[in-house]
Amino acid sequence: DAKTTQPNSMESNEEEPVHLPCNHSTISGTDYIHWYRQLPSQGPEYVIHGLTSNVNNRMASLAIAEDRKSSTLILHRATLRDAAVYYCILREYSGGGADGLTFGKGTHLIIQP
Amino acid sequence: GAVVSQHPSRVICKSGTSVKIECRSLDFQATTMFWYRQFPKQSLMLMATSNEGSKATYEQGVEKDKFLINHASLTLSTLTVTSAHPEDSSFYICSARVQNGANTEAFFGQGTRLTVV
Repeated sequence: DAKTTQPNSMESNEEEPVHLPCNHSTISGTDYIHWYRQLPSQGPEYVIHGLTSNVNNRMASLAIAEDRKSSTLILHRATLRDAAVYYCILREYSGGGADGLTFGKGTHLIIQP
Repeated sequence: GAVVSQHPSRVICKSGTSVKIECRSLDFQATTMFWYRQFPKQSLMLMATSNEGSKATYEQGVEKDKFLINHASLTLSTLTVTSAHPEDSSFYICSARVQNGANTEAFFGQGTRLTVV
C-alpha cells in the first residue's frame, strides 16, 4: 500500500470544526483513501472512505484534492468523544478484500473543552 | 454496521502458559479475518491473515508456531499465544470485512489486552 503522511498531533476546541490533513503523493489511480480512528484502549473504527469525489457521512466529510495527492478529514463540530488517533490509509482496489490494513502513526487529535 | 466481538477484553497470564483469544463476527460471515498487535504508543501491526478452512498467512517476522490461528467457521477465528513471555504483552486486535469487496469498511473487535507476568 502507498505511504501516507499525517501530523503527529493536533489540538482543537470542543464544538469547533477540525480539519485533519493527509498527504499521499504516491497514490495510484486505483487507491481508495480510507480513514479510521482509534479511541483509547479500543479497536479502530471506520470513519469514511473515497476515491475522487468528496464524501459525506454522519461522522465526517472527506475532501480529496483534485490531483488526489492529499485529502482532509473534516469533523464539522468536534466533541470530547472525538478525541482519538486518526489514521489515513490507502487501499488498492483488489476486488477481494483479502489484505489487512497498513496503519501508519496517525494523528493524535486532542479536544479541549 | 457489522459487529466483531473479541473475547476476553483483558487477560493476565503467567509466563510459559498459553492464552486463547476469540474473534467472532456476530451478524455477518467472514471468510477472512485479520489479527493485529499494538504495543504501547505504537500503531497497529498486522500479524496474520486468518482464512476459513485453510492455513493462516503470517507477516514477516511473526512466528507461526507461537501465534496459532484457527479459523474453523465463517464467524470465528482464534489466536492462541503459546508459551507466552512478558515481551508478548500487548494489545491484540482482530478485524473482518463484510464479503463484498476490498473497499468496504473493515470492522474491528474491541481488542484484548494481554499481560504476561
